[in-house]
Amino acid sequence: AQSVAQPEDQVNVAEGNPLTVKCTYSVSGNPYLFWYVQYPNRGLQFLLKYITGDNLVKGSYGFEAEFNKSQTSFHLKKPSALVSDSALYFCAVRDRNTDKLIFGTGTRLQVFP
Amino acid sequence: SQTIHQWPATLVQPVGSPLSLECTVEGTSNPNLYWYRQAAGRGLQLLFYSVGIGQISSEVPQNLSASRPQDRQFILSSKKLLLSDSGFYLCAWRFTNTGGAYEQYFGPGTRLTVT
Repeated sequence: AQSVAQPEDQVNVAEGNPLTVKCTYSVSGNPYLFWYVQYPNRGLQFLLKYITGDNLVKGSYGFEAEFNKSQTSFHLKKPSALVSDSALYFCAVRDRNTDKLIFGTGTRLQVFP
Repeated sequence: SQTIHQWPATLVQPVGSPLSLECTVEGTSNPNLYWYRQAAGRGLQLLFYSVGIGQISSEVPQNLSASRPQDRQFILSSKKLLLSDSGFYLCAWRFTNTGGAYEQYFGPGTRLTVT
């Protein structure tokens, strides 16, 4: 079965420091991977995706993600965190069999001033 | 560009009352449409999806139903709400002919509280 795991419920980082939000996946075949962000009482916003090509994917708001096939990971990164980056982040993978997105349980990012 | 609307934004309903949540998409044709529920600000549960008018697939047995009366309109309904129906309901859309664009785009959500 296709799945994604977000091992951290919460990540705390100081403003200006680099941030990483972790995601690992389990799929058959080549994965299609996605990151979303959700602010309180709002819908999910699409940040970036990996389909094929370069392992480093750049997305919205200065975020990027690194695809690592050997470690089956797709970690979200940002070189310098902002307080406004504080939100809930979801990793997702496309299930090729059902054509649906399988979402992780979410990681809450807290950036402290 | 495409936009997705949901209404109402918030709703408080008594147990046993009916429900109707509406979602519309603008700027695209024949989108795939999805209803999700998010409980306790965390995980997403896919409730229904639709690949065309009148075509609805249900993911979990429940007292909710969905309909797609028009190409870009998706409605979530219930005849009698339960306390457990409380949550944050999200509608999403995706291009049908993806060309690799499998990402879904979400609406602003409806916060439903059943009392």
